Amino acid sequence: GQQVMQIPQYQHVQEGEDFTTYCNSSTTLSNIQWYKQRPGGHPVFLIQLVKSGEVKKQKRLTFQFGEAKKNSSLHITATQTTDVGTYFCAGGSNYKLTFGKGTLLTVNP
Amino acid sequence: DADVTQTPRNRITKTGKRIMLECSQTKGHDRMYWYRQDPGLGLRLIYYSFDVKDINKGEISDGYSVSRQAQAKFSLSLESAIPNQTALYFCATRDPNTGELFFGEGSRLTVL
Repeated sequence: GQQVMQIPQYQHVQEGEDFTTYCNSSTTLSNIQWYKQRPGGHPVFLIQLVKSGEVKKQKRLTFQFGEAKKNSSLHITATQTTDVGTYFCAGGSNYKLTFGKGTLLTVNP
Repeated sequence: DADVTQTPRNRITKTGKRIMLECSQTKGHDRMYWYRQDPGLGLRLIYYSFDVKDINKGEISDGYSVSRQAQAKFSLSLESAIPNQTALYFCATRDPNTGELFFGEGSRLTVL
């Protein structure tokens, strides 16, 4: 079955440093989504990428979808303490999504 | 009120007991999902449903069953709970236009 791999598993940064998490799929994806889960919370949708090579920005967050539609990345510029949480990518189809294992980001103030 | 509501939020039970986790939604979405979250393993799909008459197995359906009683209700059952089913369970709906998943607050189940 489809596998979605995400690295790193953990990342600890000083406030103000940048952060990147990477997602790779064993198969070509029709789309990829990103979610954020705060400690003790539930996953919350951030964005969906559909087009090959697509790049989208949300303030300090930049999302990319690879040309082959098999990989994606989330980059946070100048992290803040409010960025702490686990970031998940989820790839698949209009029917179901397969989640990566997530990257836990902690930020030292 | 939350758009996706799960009950109970926390449950401790014993091995062999039957457990039902309930999910209701007010978003009017046809597609509903049950995921299981374990530390370091991400979210794994248990079952999903596209309407009342449509139920599909996910990647880890063994030991679980589901019932779609209505468009707004999707329940997950553990017929005979075992300790390795201790986990955080999430129900979600999916917006057909945007593809976005809307998650409930989660049900934390502990099987002793």
